Amino acid sequence: DAGVIQSPRHEVTEMGQEVTLRCKPISGHDYLFWYRQTMMRGLELLIYFNNNVPIDDSGMPEDRFSAKMPNASFSTLKIQPSEPRDSAVYFCASIFSSRGRISEQFFGPGTRLTVL
Amino acid sequence: DAKTTQPPSMDCAEGRAANLPCNHSTISGNEYVYWYRQIHSQGPQYIIHGLKNNETNEMASLIITEDRKSSTLILPHATLRDTAVYYCIVNSGGSNYKLTFGKGTLLTVNP
Repeated sequence: DAGVIQSPRHEVTEMGQEVTLRCKPISGHDYLFWYRQTMMRGLELLIYFNNNVPIDDSGMPEDRFSAKMPNASFSTLKIQPSEPRDSAVYFCASIFSSRGRISEQFFGPGTRLTVL
Repeated sequence: DAKTTQPPSMDCAEGRAANLPCNHSTISGNEYVYWYRQIHSQGPQYIIHGLKNNETNEMASLIITEDRKSSTLILPHATLRDTAVYYCIVNSGGSNYKLTFGKGTLLTVNP
Protein backbone atom coordinates (compact mmCIF):
# COMPACT_ATOMS: atom_id res chain seq x y z
CA ASP A 1 0.00 0.00 0.00
CA ALA A 2 1.25 3.48 -0.83
CA GLY A 3 0.15 4.92 2.48
CA VAL A 4 -1.67 8.21 2.89
CA ILE A 5 -1.00 10.45 -0.09
CA GLN A 6 -1.06 14.22 0.09
CA SER A 7 -0.69 16.81 -2.62
CA PRO A 8 0.88 19.14 -3.23
CA ARG A 9 3.89 18.58 -0.98
CA HIS A 10 4.75 22.25 -1.06
CA GLU A 11 2.55 25.23 -1.83
CA VAL A 12 3.54 28.88 -1.97
CA THR A 13 0.79 31.38 -2.51
CA GLU A 14 0.00 35.01 -1.93
CA MET A 15 -2.31 36.40 0.68
CA GLY A 16 -5.91 36.39 -0.47
CA GLN A 17 -5.56 33.46 -2.83
CA GLU A 18 -7.55 30.24 -2.49
CA VAL A 19 -5.57 27.18 -1.47
CA THR A 20 -6.72 23.57 -1.83
CA LEU A 21 -4.91 20.72 -0.15
CA ARG A 22 -5.65 17.14 -1.13
CA CYS A 23 -5.53 13.82 0.64
CA LYS A 24 -6.02 10.22 -0.40
CA PRO A 25 -6.40 7.94 2.63
CA ILE A 26 -5.27 4.34 2.77
CA SER A 27 -7.75 2.13 0.94
CA GLY A 28 -10.32 0.65 3.29
CA HIS A 29 -9.77 3.16 6.05
CA ASP A 30 -12.98 4.70 7.34
CA TYR A 31 -11.72 7.69 9.35
CA LEU A 32 -9.82 10.64 7.95
CA PHE A 33 -8.18 13.44 9.94
CA TRP A 34 -6.75 16.83 9.03
CA TYR A 35 -4.05 18.32 11.29
CA ARG A 36 -2.05 21.54 11.19
CA GLN A 37 1.43 21.92 12.65
CA THR A 38 3.19 25.17 13.48
CA MET A 39 6.12 25.97 15.73
CA MET A 40 3.93 28.07 18.00
CA ARG A 41 0.93 25.79 18.38
CA GLY A 42 2.34 22.34 17.65
CA LEU A 43 0.19 19.68 16.03
CA GLU A 44 -3.52 20.49 16.14
CA LEU A 45 -6.49 18.46 14.96
CA LEU A 46 -8.66 20.52 12.63
CA ILE A 47 -11.44 18.15 11.57
CA TYR A 48 -12.14 14.48 11.13
CA PHE A 49 -14.51 12.37 9.07
CA ASN A 50 -16.06 8.95 9.51
CA ASN A 51 -17.34 7.23 6.38
CA ASN A 52 -17.07 10.55 4.52
CA VAL A 53 -19.20 12.42 7.08
CA PRO A 54 -17.63 15.22 9.16
CA ILE A 55 -17.78 14.22 12.81
CA ASP A 56 -15.95 17.01 14.62
CA ASP A 57 -14.84 20.29 13.09
CA SER A 58 -14.27 22.12 16.37
CA GLY A 59 -10.60 22.57 15.53
CA MET A 60 -11.23 24.46 12.30
CA PRO A 61 -9.89 27.94 13.05
CA GLU A 62 -12.46 30.02 11.22
CA ASP A 63 -14.86 30.20 8.31
CA ARG A 64 -12.05 30.65 5.86
CA PHE A 65 -11.30 26.96 6.33
CA SER A 66 -13.51 24.23 4.89
CA ALA A 67 -13.05 20.51 4.37
CA LYS A 68 -14.90 18.00 2.27
CA MET A 69 -14.79 14.28 1.67
CA PRO A 70 -16.83 13.51 -1.45
CA ASN A 71 -15.91 9.83 -1.39
CA ALA A 72 -13.94 7.29 0.60
CA SER A 73 -10.74 7.87 -1.32
CA PHE A 74 -10.46 11.65 -1.44
CA SER A 75 -10.62 14.66 0.82
CA THR A 76 -9.83 18.34 0.43
CA LEU A 77 -8.99 21.13 2.85
CA LYS A 78 -9.63 24.56 1.40
CA ILE A 79 -8.54 27.94 2.68
CA GLN A 80 -10.22 30.96 1.13
CA PRO A 81 -8.90 33.60 1.38
CA SER A 82 -5.50 32.57 2.65
CA GLU A 83 -3.52 34.66 5.14
CA PRO A 84 0.16 34.61 6.16
CA ARG A 85 -0.79 33.13 9.56
CA ASP A 86 -2.10 30.05 7.76
CA SER A 87 1.47 29.12 6.89
CA ALA A 88 2.04 25.69 8.39
CA VAL A 89 2.46 22.03 7.58
CA TYR A 90 -0.89 20.33 7.05
CA PHE A 91 -1.11 16.60 7.68
CA CYS A 92 -3.77 14.14 6.71
CA ALA A 93 -4.15 10.84 8.58
CA SER A 94 -6.44 7.84 8.29
CA ILE A 95 -7.59 4.93 10.42
CA PHE A 96 -9.33 1.63 9.89
CA SER A 97 -11.59 1.46 12.92
CA SER A 98 -12.38 -1.87 14.47
CA ARG A 99 -14.72 -2.17 17.44
CA GLY A 100 -12.84 -3.06 20.57
CA ARG A 101 -9.43 -2.50 19.03
CA ILE A 102 -7.12 0.43 19.25
CA SER A 103 -6.50 1.83 15.81
CA GLU A 104 -3.26 3.58 14.96
CA GLN A 105 -3.41 6.70 12.85
CA PHE A 106 -1.40 6.59 9.66
CA PHE A 107 -0.13 10.00 8.67
CA GLY A 108 0.71 11.34 5.27
CA PRO A 109 3.92 13.22 4.47
CA GLY A 110 2.23 16.59 4.86
CA THR A 111 1.81 19.72 2.72
CA ARG A 112 4.03 22.65 3.60
CA LEU A 113 2.01 25.81 2.95
CA THR A 114 3.59 29.23 2.77
CA VAL A 115 1.34 32.26 2.38
CA LEU A 116 3.26 35.42 1.46
CA ASP B 1 -8.22 13.33 27.99
CA ALA B 2 -5.57 13.51 30.68
CA LYS B 3 -2.64 15.88 30.28
CA THR B 4 0.91 14.54 29.83
CA THR B 5 4.29 15.99 30.80
CA GLN B 6 7.52 15.10 29.00
CA PRO B 7 11.06 16.49 29.16
CA PRO B 8 11.68 18.80 26.20
CA SER B 9 14.85 17.04 25.11
CA MET B 10 17.08 14.04 25.76
CA ASP B 11 20.32 12.65 24.37
CA CYS B 12 21.30 9.05 23.86
CA ALA B 13 24.39 7.32 22.49
CA GLU B 14 23.95 5.15 19.44
CA GLY B 15 23.51 1.49 20.37
CA ARG B 16 22.41 2.27 23.90
CA ALA B 17 18.89 2.07 25.27
CA ALA B 18 16.83 5.26 25.15
CA ASN B 19 14.39 5.64 28.02
CA LEU B 20 11.81 8.36 27.47
CA PRO B 21 9.65 9.25 30.48
CA CYS B 22 6.10 10.56 30.52
CA ASN B 23 4.03 11.80 33.42
CA HIS B 24 0.25 11.41 33.27
CA SER B 25 -0.81 11.72 36.88
CA THR B 26 -4.46 12.54 36.08
CA ILE B 27 -5.02 9.50 33.87
CA SER B 28 -8.34 7.77 34.40
CA GLY B 29 -9.05 4.07 34.45
CA ASN B 30 -10.22 3.74 30.87
CA GLU B 31 -7.48 5.82 29.25
CA TYR B 32 -4.69 4.36 27.21
CA VAL B 33 -1.14 5.63 26.85
CA TYR B 34 -0.01 6.04 23.25
CA TRP B 35 3.38 6.90 21.86
CA TYR B 36 3.99 8.43 18.47
CA ARG B 37 7.15 9.88 17.02
CA GLN B 38 7.87 12.43 14.34
CA ILE B 39 11.09 12.35 12.41
CA HIS B 40 12.07 15.71 10.97
CA SER B 41 9.92 16.77 8.03
CA GLN B 42 7.78 13.64 8.17
CA GLY B 43 4.32 12.85 9.49
CA PRO B 44 3.95 11.34 12.96
CA GLN B 45 4.34 7.57 13.24
CA TYR B 46 2.60 5.29 15.72
CA ILE B 47 4.96 3.36 18.00
CA ILE B 48 3.04 1.55 20.72
CA HIS B 49 0.17 1.83 23.18
CA GLY B 50 -0.80 0.29 26.53
CA LEU B 51 -3.44 0.33 29.24
CA LYS B 52 -2.07 -1.35 32.35
CA ASN B 53 0.43 -3.99 31.38
CA ASN B 54 3.83 -3.51 29.90
CA GLU B 55 3.87 -3.88 26.14
CA THR B 56 6.54 -4.72 23.60
CA ASN B 57 6.60 -4.71 19.84
CA GLU B 58 9.25 -4.67 17.15
CA MET B 59 9.90 -0.96 17.67
CA ALA B 60 9.88 -0.41 21.42
CA SER B 61 8.77 -1.40 24.89
CA LEU B 62 6.31 0.50 27.04
CA ILE B 63 6.56 0.30 30.81
CA ILE B 64 3.57 1.65 32.76
CA THR B 65 3.83 2.09 36.52
CA GLU B 66 1.42 0.18 38.70
CA ASP B 67 -0.48 3.36 39.65
CA ARG B 68 -0.49 4.29 35.93
CA LYS B 69 0.61 7.83 36.69
CA SER B 70 3.71 7.57 34.58
CA SER B 71 5.23 5.50 31.83
CA THR B 72 8.52 5.00 30.02
CA LEU B 73 9.10 4.28 26.37
CA ILE B 74 12.21 2.21 25.80
CA LEU B 75 14.08 1.98 22.51
CA PRO B 76 16.41 -0.92 23.32
CA HIS B 77 19.19 -0.15 20.85
CA ALA B 78 18.88 3.41 19.59
CA THR B 79 20.15 4.24 16.12
CA LEU B 80 20.73 7.58 14.44
CA ARG B 81 17.44 7.10 12.61
CA ASP B 82 15.61 7.16 15.94
CA THR B 83 16.37 10.87 16.31
CA ALA B 84 12.89 12.38 16.42
CA VAL B 85 10.29 14.10 18.58
CA TYR B 86 8.47 11.53 20.71
CA TYR B 87 4.93 12.23 21.82
CA CYS B 88 3.20 10.62 24.78
CA ILE B 89 -0.59 10.87 24.47
CA VAL B 90 -3.38 9.76 26.76
CA ASN B 91 -6.69 8.85 25.18
CA SER B 92 -9.71 6.82 26.11
CA GLY B 93 -9.55 4.78 22.92
CA GLY B 94 -12.62 3.01 21.59
CA SER B 95 -14.33 5.41 19.23
CA ASN B 96 -12.46 8.43 20.63
CA TYR B 97 -9.92 9.05 17.92
CA LYS B 98 -9.03 12.61 18.86
CA LEU B 99 -5.34 12.61 19.72
CA THR B 100 -3.96 15.68 21.50
CA PHE B 101 -0.28 16.10 20.73
CA GLY B 102 1.76 18.08 23.24
CA LYS B 103 5.28 19.35 22.68
CA GLY B 104 6.90 15.94 23.07
CA THR B 105 10.54 15.07 23.74
CA LEU B 106 13.21 15.67 21.15
CA LEU B 107 15.45 12.62 21.33
CA THR B 108 18.85 13.09 19.74
CA VAL B 109 20.85 9.93 19.16
CA ASN B 110 24.55 10.71 18.96
CA PRO B 111 27.17 8.62 17.16
